[in-house]
Amino acid sequence: TQLLEQSPQFLSIQEGENLTVYCNSSSVFSSLQWYRQEPGEGPVLLVTVVTGGEVKKLKRLTFQFGDARKDSSLHITAAQPGDTGLYLCAGVLASGTYKYIFGTGTRLKVLA
Amino acid sequence: DSGVTQTPKHLITATGQRVTLRCSPRSGDLSVYWYQQSLDQGLQFLIQYYNGEERAKGNILERFSAQQFPDLHSELNLSSLELGDSALYFCASSPGAEHTGELFFGEGSRLTVL
Repeated sequence: TQLLEQSPQFLSIQEGENLTVYCNSSSVFSSLQWYRQEPGEGPVLLVTVVTGGEVKKLKRLTFQFGDARKDSSLHITAAQPGDTGLYLCAGVLASGTYKYIFGTGTRLKVLA
Repeated sequence: DSGVTQTPKHLITATGQRVTLRCSPRSGDLSVYWYQQSLDQGLQFLIQYYNGEERAKGNILERFSAQQFPDLHSELNLSSLELGDSALYFCASSPGAEHTGELFFGEGSRLTVL
């Protein structure tokens, strides 16, 4: 059972377009992270969100943690080819087990 | 550069063989995590070590084992290899024992089993 479902799985867009990636769960998370992974490399941490309803901005990337801490979204404004990669959400379950779950991933390709 | 070093980058071997993957964590990090990434399975947590002791176990097969040495580097041993073990194996590190969720990943070791 996959606890963190990401959508869409694949996304191919033109440079300059906006996009949103979703990360959903029925479980509550203490914190949630977003990573980007480029081909041949390991995932790189982009952001951590901790508080329900929290919004964080990182240049053209906006991250939001759901009020109930069960979901998150990543919005990219004016996508660029350099944004191409695999985006992974991951979180620490709030159940006290400290279990860390990775999402299913979203493969983004931005065409010039 | 995350500061996490993994060797080898690529490894090709045959079924039934045994390999060892090595990881040096970021300076100061006491926890080391091993993950397996394959196309159809995503990123699967295998095992975590903290300061030399096993801390948490995920979906690690009995044919696989790991350890963390006094200098904090870690090794993942994969034995009786099967075709399905072909994957990218990532090591990650973090400062503490508890999972705060911020991991620093190495570049991975790509294992191909023929």
